[in-house]
Amino acid sequence: EIVLTQSPGTLSLSPGERATLSCRASQSVSSSYLAWYQQKPGQAPRLLIYGASSRATGIPDRFSGSGSGTDFTLTISRLEPEDFAVYYCQQYGSSPMLTFGGGTKVEIK
Amino acid sequence: QLQLQESGPGLVKPSETLSLTCTVSGGSISSSSYYWGWIRQPPGKGLEWIGSIYYSGSTYYNPSLKSRVTISVDTSKNQFSLKLSSVTAADTAVYYCARYFWGSTSAFDIWGQGTMVTVSS
Repeated sequence: EIVLTQSPGTLSLSPGERATLSCRASQSVSSSYLAWYQQKPGQAPRLLIYGASSRATGIPDRFSGSGSGTDFTLTISRLEPEDFAVYYCQQYGSSPMLTFGGGTKVEIK
Repeated sequence: QLQLQESGPGLVKPSETLSLTCTVSGGSISSSSYYWGWIRQPPGKGLEWIGSIYYSGSTYYNPSLKSRVTISVDTSKNQFSLKLSSVTAADTAVYYCARYFWGSTSAFDIWGQGTMVTVSS
C-alpha cells in the first residue's frame, strides 16, 4: 500500500500570502493518478487538481499542482479568505487501491 | 447537473450491518467512464476510501475493510449501495458517495453531501 504523507500538518498564513503544500508518497506514484481536494467544515471535499497539475472545472488559476514520482506540491499563489480549509492529496495505484493523505489545514494567521 | 445523495440509518448498533444507498440524479450510473465509490471520514479525522464499483458490477475494495464490505449497483434505480458488517464504534463516521472518473487520469469529481453514521447501542 502506498502511504501519502502531507506536510505541514497546519499552515498559518495571512490572506494574500502564498501557500505551498507537500504530499510525499512512500513509493513512486503515476502523475496521472494524483489528485488534490479542498474540504471546508461541514462540507464534502471538492476536487481541485487531477493528473497532478490539471485544474478541475471552475477552479481558479491561483491553484496549481506540480510534481512527479514521490513528491507532489499544491500551490495557492495568493490566499483568498475562502481558501482557508483542509487540503488532501489522493492517489490511485496498483491492486487497485486508492489512498488519501492525512491532510494539511491552512488557517488564518 | 449530476448529483449524488446518500441515504440510510444514522444510528447502527455494534455488531450489526451498516447499510447505505447513494442515489444518482441528473445522469446515468451506467456511463462507461466512471466508477462509483464510497469514502468515509471519522469525526475530526481524514478521508478513507472504502471501495468502488463499476456499473457492470465489478468491484474493488480497501484491503483493510474488504472482509466486511459489500458494494452493489442497481442500474434500474440509478443507485449503488454499501454494506459494512460487524460494525464497531471505530466505524462511526461521515460516509460519502462519489463519482470517480477513470481513463488517462482519474479522481473523485462529484461528491454527495455525506451522511453521519453513529455506531452505538
